[in-house]
Amino acid sequence: DADVTQTPRNRITKTGKRIMLECSQTKGHDRMYWYRQDPGLGLQLIYYSFDVKDINKGEISDGYSVSRQAQAKFSLSLESAIPNQTALYFCATSDPSGGELGTQYFGPGTRLTVL
Amino acid sequence: GIQVEQSPPDLILQEGANSTLRCNFSDSVNNLQWFHQNPWGQLINLFYIPSGTKQNGRLSATTVATERYSLLYISSSQTTDSGVYFCAVEPHTGNQFYFGTGTSLTVIP
Repeated sequence: DADVTQTPRNRITKTGKRIMLECSQTKGHDRMYWYRQDPGLGLQLIYYSFDVKDINKGEISDGYSVSRQAQAKFSLSLESAIPNQTALYFCATSDPSGGELGTQYFGPGTRLTVL
Repeated sequence: GIQVEQSPPDLILQEGANSTLRCNFSDSVNNLQWFHQNPWGQLINLFYIPSGTKQNGRLSATTVATERYSLLYISSSQTTDSGVYFCAVEPHTGNQFYFGTGTSLTVIP
């Protein structure tokens, strides 16, 4: 089984709808991240969380919110989706106390299309 | 924030050829990773390499932290090496990772 899972894998929605993307991990890592990737570009950080009570904004947090329900779960919400939020979304985890400090492990991605 | 530049942006190779991909960054870093994004979008860890040299099969990487660059070497390229290669860094001054815009590699048979 995959260590970092994301649901759904693909989603098509309409402008103005509220959307939640979910991420679960079995790696036991405290740190979790949400990234967005636009076509032809690198990844940009939306939000990150270093434990259940610690949530931080990344480079591009406007229009997004997150919830860290447990160590293993980190959800990303688009409160009112707009077309320029169409992108590939990735969840990642890391453990700075591990052998290779801070190595990030990525989920398979969620492809979101906002019409 | 820190600037991360990768070169070349695009690369086309004949199968069996060797290549070098470069990542320049503008500030000191705690962490540097190389990833391969395959044509299906999956991100695969290649190396965790904030300094020094590592090798894994046909791939190797070197980071010269004092000069703020990292190199990824691909030898005897195969069609399965196609995809986009990303460098990501975590600066000393923060807890965020910053990605370069990637090198798109196409290996033709």
